Amino acid sequence: TQLLEQSPQFLSIQEGENLTVYCNSSSVFSSLQWYRQEPGEGPVLLVTVVTGGEVKKLKRLTFQFGDARKDSSLHITAAQPGDTGLYLCAGASAAGNNRKLIWGLGTSLAVNP
Amino acid sequence: GAGVSQSPSNKVTEKGKDVELRCDPISGHTALYWYRQSLGQGLEFLIYFQGNSAPDKSGLPSDRFSAERTGGSVSTLTIQRTQQEDSAVYLCASSLSGIAGAYFGAGTRLSVL
Repeated sequence: TQLLEQSPQFLSIQEGENLTVYCNSSSVFSSLQWYRQEPGEGPVLLVTVVTGGEVKKLKRLTFQFGDARKDSSLHITAAQPGDTGLYLCAGASAAGNNRKLIWGLGTSLAVNP
Repeated sequence: GAGVSQSPSNKVTEKGKDVELRCDPISGHTALYWYRQSLGQGLEFLIYFQGNSAPDKSGLPSDRFSAERTGGSVSTLTIQRTQQEDSAVYLCASSLSGIAGAYFGAGTRLSVL
């Protein structure tokens, strides 16, 4: 069974701090995606990474895909209250039907003003 | 519209009644997913469509749950004889392929009294 483990499960920080959240698996993925979900809304796709070692930046957010395509990290610099939300990672399997996404349980981030 | 549309946005029903939830995916997206999310929890996979066929129904909780997709577009999730444990937010997402990432609707919040 393919699993994606996200850590930490909960994170509460002050505005301006930096943070990193992780998404780990023993399985290889064709791609890994990060989403942010706010209360009452569906998840919103932030980024997709497909190449081992790939790094993508989205303003203050930096996403990295592990060299072996089994893990990923999301780093936020100078966090803002608007970054508050549930961060979910999802992987597209490298074997078989890669259209079915495997989901982590999420990291709930609270950025306090 | 340009995004994934779900209806109704909220549904309150009595235990034992049947409900139908609708999803209009992004035009041209061949993959369509249904998920369930309870308060503060991650995404629970229900079913995945590729075109009109459902290669993976493994997440449907019981035979009270069924889904169909017609014309490679609109999908309906039907829950028969609803139970209180069916109360949750039901999310639909569509994608060109699993690798590219999925786009979510805002969900249907189902409350079974």
